Order: sequence, then C-alpha cells, then structure tokens
Amino acid sequence: GAVVSQHPSRVICKSGTSVKIECRSLDFQATTMFWYRQFPKQSLMLMATSNEGSKATYEQGVEKDKFLINHASLTLSTLTVTSAHPEDSSFYICSAASLPGQGPGYTFGSGTRLTVV
Amino acid sequence: RKEVEQDPGPFNVPEGATVAFNCTYSNSASQSFFWYRQDCRKEPKLLMSVYSSGNEDGRFTAQLNRASQYISLLIRDSKLSDSATYLCVVKRQAGTALIFGKGTTLSVSS
Repeated sequence: GAVVSQHPSRVICKSGTSVKIECRSLDFQATTMFWYRQFPKQSLMLMATSNEGSKATYEQGVEKDKFLINHASLTLSTLTVTSAHPEDSSFYICSAASLPGQGPGYTFGSGTRLTVV
Repeated sequence: RKEVEQDPGPFNVPEGATVAFNCTYSNSASQSFFWYRQDCRKEPKLLMSVYSSGNEDGRFTAQLNRASQYISLLIRDSKLSDSATYLCVVKRQAGTALIFGKGTTLSVSS
C-alpha cells in the first residue's frame, strides 16, 4: 500500500534551536501535503497546506515564519520548526494527498514527537 | 464552536459490549465523512468512510444524517483490541484537508 515515510520519529532539542521534519511519499506523487500538530489529549489541528512548487497556506494562528514548510518536489515536503521553545513540544504529523483518481487518497506519516527542553 | 464535536468519553466497556459514538459537524457544505482510529502515540488510521445510506464493516456500523449534521459509529461485540481513540473526521471538499474531532477514547476490558 501507499506509504509516507516521516523522519525523525522522535527528537529532543534545546530551546532556541531549529528542527527539520521530513515526509516522503514512497510510491506515489503527493501533490498536496497537510501538516498537523497534536497536543496531548487534543485533536489533530491543521497547521498548513502545501502544494508542490507553491507557498504553503497557513491556518489562522500558525506563524509562517516559525514553521517553515517546503514542498519542492512531488515526493518530499519538510517542516522546519525554527527557534523552538518548550511550548512547541508536540506530535507533528504529515498527510499526503494525491490527485483524485491518481493515487491512494490521503496517507499519513507515522508522526514526529518533538520535545523542546 | 469547533467544526467537529464528539462525545468526550472515555468509554470503559467489558468485552462483548456494544458501544456507540456520536459526532456532529458544523459546516453543512462538508462533503466526505470518516471514522479514524488512533492508537497511543501513533498516526491515525482510516477505519471506515461514512455514507448517508449507512455502511457496515464487520462489527462496525457507521451512519450519517446530513440533515442534522450527525455521524455515528456503532461497535458490536467489543474486543480488547478495539481499545483506542476514535476520531470523527470530515472533509469540506475534494483535495482539502481532513478536519478531525477531538476523539473519543474507548477502553475494553476483560
């Protein structure tokens, strides 16, 4: 089946540093990538939507300069958390979408648990 | 008001029990509806899509009422392995993001 490989699965970083999270679609073209964040006992909250080759569209309240998204190819999207702070500690997960009729629909990565100390 | 609202839970039931989860959504233009399952610290996995005619997959039955903007999931003969968080999910239109409810936690005990 369709697979989205997300790395790293877990990362601990110091406050003030940046962390890059990668999502790769392994056997299909991800025309759109959705990035979510989930705090404990909360729902997955959509952070941003990115289309290959375009600037990402951010949800209200999500700082685009803090959460940098790059979707330079149909198989790779990255989320960089810049100048991370403890309140950024969360579970980050990507979801890749293919064009209707051209792929598996929506496929999730396995998530990245970020802890900022 | 959140776009997708679910029963807060948690639901603690014995093996073999029947349990029902409810969900409402606020955007009447929503086009697609799903139930996902999420295990602790894992990514959500599609359980089933939900259609107006109702649909069944083994022990799981999902219903959609567009008029009242209400979605339900019924689990019969609960198993220990059904213990998880069940997420009600809607999609506004093709190609847009999935919108998740907060989830309802189910714990099935022997």
